[in-house]
Amino acid sequence: IAGITQAPTSQILAAGRRMTLRCTQDMRHNAMYWYRQDLGLGLRLIHYSNTAGTTGKGEVPDGYSVSRANTDDFPLTLASAVPSQTSVYFCASSDLTSGILFFGPGTRLTVL
Amino acid sequence: AQRVTQPEKLLSVFKGAPVELKCNYSYSGSPELFWYVQYSRQRLQLLLRHISRESIKGFTADLNKGETSFHLKKPFAQEEDSAMYYCALSAGTASKLTFGTGTRLQVTL
Repeated sequence: IAGITQAPTSQILAAGRRMTLRCTQDMRHNAMYWYRQDLGLGLRLIHYSNTAGTTGKGEVPDGYSVSRANTDDFPLTLASAVPSQTSVYFCASSDLTSGILFFGPGTRLTVL
Repeated sequence: AQRVTQPEKLLSVFKGAPVELKCNYSYSGSPELFWYVQYSRQRLQLLLRHISRESIKGFTADLNKGETSFHLKKPFAQEEDSAMYYCALSAGTASKLTFGTGTRLQVTL
């Protein structure tokens, strides 16, 4: 059982380019989340989805979009990357009953 | 709006010394509080939650509604406790988690 996987592990991207970070879970969790982790700022929620077919905005959604076509996958897209989006991105999922988050290994993204 | 404050970015203690990682929250309702930990080269993972009232790896945390705090404590620090610790708050089981900015615990010999 893999839990949550993210791809790629790391990426260097030119500003203005489009990028999709992938996230897949095999735990059949209803809810999925994208957080970014920045030094001194902790973890901030970008977007979330409580169930397949629905998504919502978190604390810092600008410049990002998500989709939830099925239970397992929750890709995060940067339509036109900017240097301020340089960060470590974590995908997470949870069973809405427990509320406990399970995290992926993260994607380190550098936008130049 | 809910908010979580972790005032210390770095806490350095000697092995065997007591540890207290501070966490204060702001929320008008009845929150659910969590501590998550990220060890070097490992995923962020749940350490403990207040409703469980359990001790994990020697750590405990008590929810103090009067002081709106959920400090993480351990009587004797070990080297393997060195990690990044995040306090988090949920407005309800089905709600999103709000994280604090994190405290890096460094345990030295």
